[in-house]
Amino acid sequence: AQTVTQSQPEMSVQEAETVTLSCTYDTSESDYYLFWYKQPPSRQMILVIRQEAYKQQNATENRFSVNFQKAAKSFSLKISDSQLGDAAMYFCASGMDTDKLIFGTGTRLQVFP
Amino acid sequence: NAGVMQNPRHLVRRRGQEARLRCSPMKGHSHVYWYRQLPEEGLKFMVYLQKENIIDESGMPKERFSAEFPKEGPSILRIQQVVRGDSAAYFCASSSGTGVETQYFGPGTRLLVL
Repeated sequence: AQTVTQSQPEMSVQEAETVTLSCTYDTSESDYYLFWYKQPPSRQMILVIRQEAYKQQNATENRFSVNFQKAAKSFSLKISDSQLGDAAMYFCASGMDTDKLIFGTGTRLQVFP
Repeated sequence: NAGVMQNPRHLVRRRGQEARLRCSPMKGHSHVYWYRQLPEEGLKFMVYLQKENIIDESGMPKERFSAEFPKEGPSILRIQQVVRGDSAAYFCASSSGTGVETQYFGPGTRLLVL
């Protein structure tokens, strides 16, 4: 069974600084996908970034990048130049092909001016 | 280009009533997933459907919960005889089912059981 663990219930960062959110996962599959979703106070789930496990290159989307360590089963999210609008819950998730997503328990990110 | 639509956005029911939650997937998407988020928790998978078929219902409670995705119309998550523990946010997601999959989420339905 797949599991996803987020060990940081809360994190905080100063505006314009960089913060890294941690995520580890466990799966016996060789082909899978990893995701970071953002959930602002509106509670809408917004896709931040996606990584295919077969790709060695770390995914990047503007200020968001991941550090994917397949052997260690680690998938951390780095947010550069943090903005007030980045404040939200962040969920790490894993999935296979068209299968269900398994979510971590989330990290609440606060951004201070 | 409408995203995933869910209605109602908020639903209040008294214990013992029925709750019906609707989800219209993104245009061109034929796969629908339902997730539940209890207060202060992450999302938990409930059921995965394609048109007229339930593919995986391993996360559905055995009783009172059912889901369908008919040939025409939205997907429906139905909760019979609701209890206070059913109070949660219910999210629907859809995907195209054509390979590298990303699930796109609707805004959720907040169910409150009094």
